[in-house]
Amino acid sequence: DTGVSQDPRHKITKRGQNVTFRCDPISEHNRLYWYRQTLGQGPEFLTYFQNEAQLEKSRLLSDRFSAERPKGSFSTLEIQHTEQGDSAMYLCASSQTGDEAFFGQGTRLTVV
Amino acid sequence: GESVGLHLPTLSVQEGDNSIINCAYSNSASDYFIWYKQESGKGPQFIIDIRSNMDKRQGQRVTVLLNKTVKHLSLQIAATQPGDSAVYFCAEKPGTYKYIFGTGTRLKVLA
Repeated sequence: DTGVSQDPRHKITKRGQNVTFRCDPISEHNRLYWYRQTLGQGPEFLTYFQNEAQLEKSRLLSDRFSAERPKGSFSTLEIQHTEQGDSAMYLCASSQTGDEAFFGQGTRLTVV
Repeated sequence: GESVGLHLPTLSVQEGDNSIINCAYSNSASDYFIWYKQESGKGPQFIIDIRSNMDKRQGQRVTVLLNKTVKHLSLQIAATQPGDSAVYFCAEKPGTYKYIFGTGTRLKVLA
């Protein structure tokens, strides 16, 4: 499978716990995006990496959120002290040219 | 502010008919657009794209039309099939890194 891979597909956590999601982009794609999607809405931009550099962060990305892409390949998104409002689908996308962006299947987070 | 919106939240079409899904965008600086299809529980799937120097682009059973004068984008699906049932999003790229999505149109294909 050469598509964008996300792990886990589903995560249920108690409020206050920390969670970490992983994204493996398409091989050789140097651009990586994180988006968040709630039910009935379009994806909302969270952050963007070009290689290992985090070049843009949305104001949606509060201090509880942190994303890394240490070697310019896979990326992780961590949410600390989760809140019920964090429940959403977290999507990762990658691009080689900066135009076509291909998404993974997402990680569905439920905070109880 | 920047926004991408859709005219119709739900579109129902008979199997075999053509579907047209519309999208309005507000950022005149956008130079690249993508249509995505999203099935329940899955990530958005790339369908077709178009650059702002084009008015029309065709793929397999799909055509995207861009009208920059009125900032309007449409996706035409020929001979709609049950497998086309999904939510469709348009996304614009206003010259920055990010893609801006609207809220989506649900396409229901009636047998």
